[in-house]
Amino acid sequence: EAQVTQNPRYLITVTGKKLTVTCSQNMNHEYMSWYRQDPGLGLRQIYYSMNVEVTDKGDVPEGYKVSRKEKRNFPLILESPSPNQTSLYFCASSNPTSGYSYEQYFGPGTRLTVT
Amino acid sequence: AQTVTQSQPEMSVQEAETVTLSCTYDTSESNYYLFWYKQPPSRQMILVIRQEAYKQQNATENRFSVNFQKAAKSFSLKISDSQLGDTAMYFCALRSGGSQGNLIFGKGTKLSVKP
Repeated sequence: EAQVTQNPRYLITVTGKKLTVTCSQNMNHEYMSWYRQDPGLGLRQIYYSMNVEVTDKGDVPEGYKVSRKEKRNFPLILESPSPNQTSLYFCASSNPTSGYSYEQYFGPGTRLTVT
Repeated sequence: AQTVTQSQPEMSVQEAETVTLSCTYDTSESNYYLFWYKQPPSRQMILVIRQEAYKQQNATENRFSVNFQKAAKSFSLKISDSQLGDTAMYFCALRSGGSQGNLIFGKGTKLSVKP
């Protein structure tokens, strides 16, 4: 089954404790992206990656890091989480160059709470 | 800069009736794509319908259809024969054809279908 998976689905942590949210897709997509969703703000892009070893900042990259060492994986790293990073996080992937397959496939979301 | 505006934070509709969700956008690109995503209480992001800007014909998917007014930069979603399962947040999104695949989202409209 074609899918994007994220782990963990729920996480409660404390300020300053480094964490990683994993994202993996099995569709051989080149493009992957991270979004955060906050009430009243919609989804905002954090980082994206066009391919292995190619990453770039989105609209709200401060406080986050990413890496793309393999095509299927795109982890989101919070080196020193703060309460303002409490949010719902989505990973998505797509193949924007393959004609009609520009649909972005979303993972199930990760609810992060930083206390 | 590209923007997407959803001016209706919340809407409600009676079951079996028709409702229209508004979306306006701004882009300087001539080639772009527009999407409506549904987010039910499960939080999963589900693609409802998409429209290529170069197509004049409005997209339709079963009970869902769009009114795409390119000159006015308007992209509204019409839901016919509303069902209780249509209760969700709905996000309008824009992707430029020449971009890396990045989606710009509106802030969302919360739709409640009442029995």
